[in-house]
Amino acid sequence: EADIYQTPRYLVIGTGKKITLECSQTMGHDKMYWYQQDPGMELHLIHYSYGVNSTEKGDLSSESTVSRIRTEHFPLTLESARPSHTSQYLCASNDMYEQYFGPGTRLTVT
Amino acid sequence: QKEVEQNSGPLSVPEGAIASLNCTYSDRGSQSFFWYRQYSGKSPELIMSIYSNGDKEDGRFTAQLNKASQYVSLLIRDSQPSDSATYLCAPGRGDSWGKLQFGAGTQVVVTP
Repeated sequence: EADIYQTPRYLVIGTGKKITLECSQTMGHDKMYWYQQDPGMELHLIHYSYGVNSTEKGDLSSESTVSRIRTEHFPLTLESARPSHTSQYLCASNDMYEQYFGPGTRLTVT
Repeated sequence: QKEVEQNSGPLSVPEGAIASLNCTYSDRGSQSFFWYRQYSGKSPELIMSIYSNGDKEDGRFTAQLNKASQYVSLLIRDSQPSDSATYLCAPGRGDSWGKLQFGAGTQVVVTP
């Protein structure tokens, strides 16, 4: 079973607030990913990292930013939340064989 | 054209029958292929991986891969109501090990 954690699981926040979605894994994986998924829609890669101090933008343009200061930690930050950011955010990490997903954070911006 | 195409759903399957899911992909460099199951409101969970042409069986699930045709499929035998979910096809990207391309998914509904 994958040991990948996301907090908070649910977040309702007002427009203009700064938010950080936390993601951590205890498996020592170098590769980590953030996906965005709207209800009933496909997953879109928004950020990825191949190790400490390595971050890249994914396929879907996002106003969010990420950092990777420690192997186990890959937080995502929105400086100023907007209703268009309402979505589910999924964090994942890879070993040689499999990509493991965290439980997700459902974000609602009012 | 999307990079990963899956049959549009929902796919309605009687309990005990076989569900057949299809997926085509455009990246000829893909070497790894994954099927994920996603229940509504939950995160994806891996159910099958396949790397070589041919069939791979794991319990009630069989994955089939044909790289020449850029086609991968998933069969679910003896379908159960608990199999009702969206199934995501995810080929690995040829230019970057570990990165996946996800299809839009096929929703399977198993009816008692």
